[in-house]
Amino acid sequence: GESVGLHLPTLSVQEGDNSIINCAYSNSASDYFIWYKQESGKGPQFIIDIRSNMDKRQGQRVTVLLNKTVKHLSLQIAATQPGDSAVYFCAEGRNTPLVFGKGTRLSVIA
Amino acid sequence: DAGVIQSPRHEVTEMGQEVTLRCKPISGHDYLFWYRQTMMRGLELLIYFNNNVPIDDSGMPEDRFSAKMPNASFSTLKIQPSEPRDSAVYFCASSSDSIYGYTFGSGTRLTVV
Repeated sequence: GESVGLHLPTLSVQEGDNSIINCAYSNSASDYFIWYKQESGKGPQFIIDIRSNMDKRQGQRVTVLLNKTVKHLSLQIAATQPGDSAVYFCAEGRNTPLVFGKGTRLSVIA
Repeated sequence: DAGVIQSPRHEVTEMGQEVTLRCKPISGHDYLFWYRQTMMRGLELLIYFNNNVPIDDSGMPEDRFSAKMPNASFSTLKIQPSEPRDSAVYFCASSSDSIYGYTFGSGTRLTVV
């Protein structure tokens, strides 16, 4: 079946630099995409979402970009901080429960 | 609101034993989801309920797994008999919509030895 996947399983970033986490999706019918952050010992927490009628959405220090042509989703974190260290998941959906990717671990180097 | 509450946080059991995981969703949320998380397979949807009714259980691995939602404030996921390959973190999430606004619990880490 169709699924959501990730390009990179781990990412190490220097504190203060920008981080980019990528995600590929295969279901062209999906119209809603979300990024979640999961810290050790906790459940996933909502970061930011985007609908398929948008290409970009910004939050506080985070930006999600959607490229429907190549079915690619990315999460940009500005001025990465130690507290950003976590596993990040993308997820997709359309009228049915969210399908999650396997996750990318972000490690921030102080 | 205390969020989605799961119990126990950790469970260690012997192969063949029955395991029951519990979830209390956020009040007012009428969707409840059970996910399983492993390193190899990531977050997998096991089953979800809408208004206490199971809608899709196609993700339940096999007959050893069962889930119930007897009322709007409580759900259980039962594994009987448990096997070592069931070891994983099990998450419950609730929402007021099928795809928007999921709130996850802290999970139950299950170890079957």
